[in-house]
Amino acid sequence: SAVISQKPSRDICQRGTSLTIQCQVDSQVTMMFWYRQQPGQSLTLIATANQGSEATYESGFVIDKFPISRPNLTFSTLTVSNMSPEDSSIYLCSVGDLGDPPYEQYFGPGTRLTVT
Amino acid sequence: GEDVEQSLFLSVREGDSSVINCTYTDSSSTYLYWYKQEPGAGLQLLTYIFSNMDMKQDQRLTVLLNKKDKHLSLRIADTQTGDSAIYFCAENGAGNNRKLIWGLGTSLAVNP
Repeated sequence: SAVISQKPSRDICQRGTSLTIQCQVDSQVTMMFWYRQQPGQSLTLIATANQGSEATYESGFVIDKFPISRPNLTFSTLTVSNMSPEDSSIYLCSVGDLGDPPYEQYFGPGTRLTVT
Repeated sequence: GEDVEQSLFLSVREGDSSVINCTYTDSSSTYLYWYKQEPGAGLQLLTYIFSNMDMKQDQRLTVLLNKKDKHLSLRIADTQTGDSAIYFCAENGAGNNRKLIWGLGTSLAVNP
């Protein structure tokens, strides 16, 4: 398993601003993922962050709104841009090594974002 | 498309067994997972099962897999108040990207 930390743990932001969430892992990992969990909902995958290449976004999510960086094998950032109240959610990063079964993912504690 | 379904709520008395059920649609999934999310926390991997297994036991947890019916269950023996949480079922999707497909989660309430 891996130990994953996220910063900030929570924030309250005004609409129209941007917030960058950091995800730090205690070991090198091939795959990092960013999820959104809206109140009372399951997890929705935003994108897969690949080291050394562009992130791969899921349907309904675009780079202009959720730019992602992955400068090395232990760190990634997700920016929520031009925020609106609909972006209020928990944002989770996870890590996994898709090369080895059972291909499980390990999660950070999440960032609780409230947009007013 | 791929889908994972769970009942949303379960309430049990402390000391009883809890059974959380999940159905999935992707027959090509090789692994299925149970995650636990306590209030205000991230997701914790509880256990997983390989698709060619029928059962896996880990202390108080028993996972049963009926591949024919695409039905997965998690049994928690001697449920404690600390087991109160949301439990998510997930499967690894088909294809090389191996994305996890998530259920909506079952909220388990343990009453003293």
